[in-house]
This record gives sequence, C-alpha cells and structure tokens, in this order.
Amino acid sequence: GAGVSQSPRYKVAKRGQDVALRCDPISGHVSLFWYQQALGQGPEFLTYFQNEAQLDKSGLPSDRFFAERPEGSVSTLKIQRTQQEDSAVYLCASRRQGAWETQYFGPGTRLLVL
Amino acid sequence: AQSVTQPDIHITVSEGASLELRCNYSYGATPYLFWYVQSPGQGLQLLLKYFSGDTLVQGIKGFEAEFKRSQSSFNLRKPSVHWSDAAEYFCAVDNNNDMRFGAGTRLTVKP
Repeated sequence: GAGVSQSPRYKVAKRGQDVALRCDPISGHVSLFWYQQALGQGPEFLTYFQNEAQLDKSGLPSDRFFAERPEGSVSTLKIQRTQQEDSAVYLCASRRQGAWETQYFGPGTRLLVL
Repeated sequence: AQSVTQPDIHITVSEGASLELRCNYSYGATPYLFWYVQSPGQGLQLLLKYFSGDTLVQGIKGFEAEFKRSQSSFNLRKPSVHWSDAAEYFCAVDNNNDMRFGAGTRLTVKP
C-alpha cells in the first residue's frame, strides 16, 4: 500500500461516548504501534502488535482503552466512556519487523472530547 | 528510568544559518536512535536513524546526527537551514520495541 492510513481523521465525541479509531498499516508490515500525542507533546507509546498478537500494552492509560488486530493487518483502538483528558491525536505506525526497521506513521486521528 | 530529553523547546534561526538540535537519552544499553520531523497537520517523517557502526549518520533533507556514547547524546545538525525546515523535531529511542519520544523542539526560521 501507499502508506499507513487512519480513519477518521477527526472525531468529536461527547463525554461518555465510545469511539473506535482505525489503522490500516502498510501491506506486509508485521509490527503495528499506537501512540497518543497530546497538544504540544511528543507521542507516547500505547501498545504494540506483532501480527495479531498484542505483545505490549503497558502504555494504555486505563482499562477504557482497548486495541485489537484480529487478522494481523487492520487495527482498531477503542476508547470506552471517553473523558476530556482523552482528547489528543492518536497515531498509528507500522514496521516491517525488527526494531532496526523504520516505523512509518499515519497522519493520525484528532480526537476531541467535549 | 528510561527517558529522552530535548532541552530546547523552541529554537529560532535565520535562513541560511547552521542548526543543532540537542537530544539526550537515558538507557542502560545503546538503543536504536531516531530523529523525526512533524510539520503542522502532517504525520511524522523519519529524518535519520542510528543502530550501530559509524557514529555520524546522514539523513534526508541535508540533515545529519552524531551519536556520542560518552555523552548519551544524539544531536541533529544541518549546515544551512531553509525556510521549509520550520517544523517540530522529535528525537526518539527504541529499546526493545518500546519507542520513546522526546517532547520535541519547535524550529522557527527567520527570513
């Protein structure tokens, strides 16, 4: 594929609403990452998949955050009962495999919780 | 604790002047090191990366970075800045698939 794509690009949610953010990685990329980038900050790691296996979810801020990649390709980050502090840009990145490979980032989904 | 520090929040340079953006990391071993650039409304783009070997690495858009183990630093440099270089720059460290980013340095270029 051309690159990592994410949808929607923008999402406005009312507090308490559930949201689902989609990431389409580059075809054939084994590794997939989710990051949260608050305004004026660097991206912060949320979770990492290798194929369909979620190998690290230590960065998920609470049990309201859930990520899946059931077929080892497309991934969805779900946030339940959104709170205002969840407002941020959510970035997805994919990588062929090893840590020496480059992570390619998508354009992000900007989430605003009112 | 593992960390990445970019001491300069905001830097302003004149077009044509040289640039150095600082990055320090705190890790037990030598991790993989990266510099990314983010323009407004754009995704992160990799400028360069270091894994091993020659400590001076060349990247895209005329950027280079030097890894100094003794100083735990990986500073980004460019000899002559262009107006299009105005953006946010992030240093990052990958330690066993755990990518950590610095807070970023915003670069403004004066005409």
